[in-house]
Amino acid sequence: DAGVIQSPRHEVTEMGQEVTLRCKPISGHNSLFWYRQTMMRGLELLIYFNNNVPIDDSGMPEDRFSAKMPNASFSTLKIQPSEPRDSAVYFCASSLAGPYGYTFGSGTRLTVV
Amino acid sequence: ELKVEQNPLFLSMQEGKNYTIYCNYSTTSDRLYWYRQDPGKSLESLFVLLSNGAVKQEGRLMASLDTKARLSTLHITAAVHDLSATYFCAASVGNEKLTFGTGTRLTIIP
Repeated sequence: DAGVIQSPRHEVTEMGQEVTLRCKPISGHNSLFWYRQTMMRGLELLIYFNNNVPIDDSGMPEDRFSAKMPNASFSTLKIQPSEPRDSAVYFCASSLAGPYGYTFGSGTRLTVV
Repeated sequence: ELKVEQNPLFLSMQEGKNYTIYCNYSTTSDRLYWYRQDPGKSLESLFVLLSNGAVKQEGRLMASLDTKARLSTLHITAAVHDLSATYFCAASVGNEKLTFGTGTRLTIIP
């Protein structure tokens, strides 16, 4: 089991550019979550999907952020245009229905300059 | 809205000592989780607690859950340097989103 796979591991981009973060959940997991971690705000849920359907996107900061899950094995989080305040570590996590833990990916460290 | 509070935020302990991290949550939750995060790393699942009175232990760490008090504790016994990390508790209702506490940064001093 390769776990939750995120790419890229690090991303440095200039303000105004589009950024796309990618996530492959664990096979068979039916829920997928995108979290953002910063020193100031801690771990914040951005959006989560259940069976590829977005359930709660209330944590998405603004219209510059969008997320998709076209199939059970892939999700993207896009920021367009990016701003320096978007700099953070973005984690993807997946879970299986039932009393199990959530498995986190290794994260993408985004720096917007 | 579910809220999760942890304390203390920072904890500096001597090796060999015992201590407890506390986690309170605001509304009914049927699942409580503990995670560990090392600097620059991802979150590693430690425990999943599902019912009132649940107790789980792994090595020097023991977690418990009191759903009536809406309180979970993570007890560290005879701390060793390898336990230095940030510990998060999180709560959820079913398989919905995890709501995280602020984390406790634990430093074990030789």
